[in-house]
Amino acid sequence: EPEVTQTPSHQVTQMGQEVILRCVPISNHLYFYWYRQILGQKVEFLVSFYNNEISEKSEIFDDQFSVERPDGSNFTLKIRSTKLEDSAMYFCASGRDLYNEQFFGPGTRLTVL
Amino acid sequence: GENVEQHPSTLSVQEGDSAVIKCTYSDSASNYFPWYKQELGKRPQLIIDIRSNVGEKKDQRIAVTLNKTAKHFSLHITETQPEDSAVYFCAASANRDDKIIFGKGTRLHILP
Repeated sequence: EPEVTQTPSHQVTQMGQEVILRCVPISNHLYFYWYRQILGQKVEFLVSFYNNEISEKSEIFDDQFSVERPDGSNFTLKIRSTKLEDSAMYFCASGRDLYNEQFFGPGTRLTVL
Repeated sequence: GENVEQHPSTLSVQEGDSAVIKCTYSDSASNYFPWYKQELGKRPQLIIDIRSNVGEKKDQRIAVTLNKTAKHFSLHITETQPEDSAVYFCAASANRDDKIIFGKGTRLHILP
């Protein structure tokens, strides 16, 4: 069964550095998402992406964040200048249809020192 | 915006007994309610979902009920097994947007 994949599984970075988290959604899916989960807390929506543009973003998704689908398979989340509070597990998700099941990737654990 | 409350935060049940997790939501426009199971260090995985046009849905040992008037929905797991131990998240989504709003999660422990 196809799955969403993410790389790297764990990223450690210094505060102020830029990071790029990568995702490969399921191949026939059209809707893409990023969520984050701070340790021990709930999963929080960051951004949704469809047809090469952002559909919706949350308050968390400020100017330091950006998303891109650079080719036909990858979907990336960039954090321009990381802060300590960006430390979290970041999940990519994809969906075939709108308002239906979203399939989550295994996550990237981001640690900002 | 939507707010999803989930109770309890921790639940311990004897193996073989039933577990019930309850959630409430605030946005009357929400019409899709998925439940995710997350094992330690793993991705959230959808276990069951329900739409607002039905009041109950069942899949083997798992059932979900929805009360749109009261804006609450519940997950029922019967004949619990050790592999049911995990964190369970309820969530809600509305047709006007496709983001999923999660509850804070319930850590379910199945006791031998």
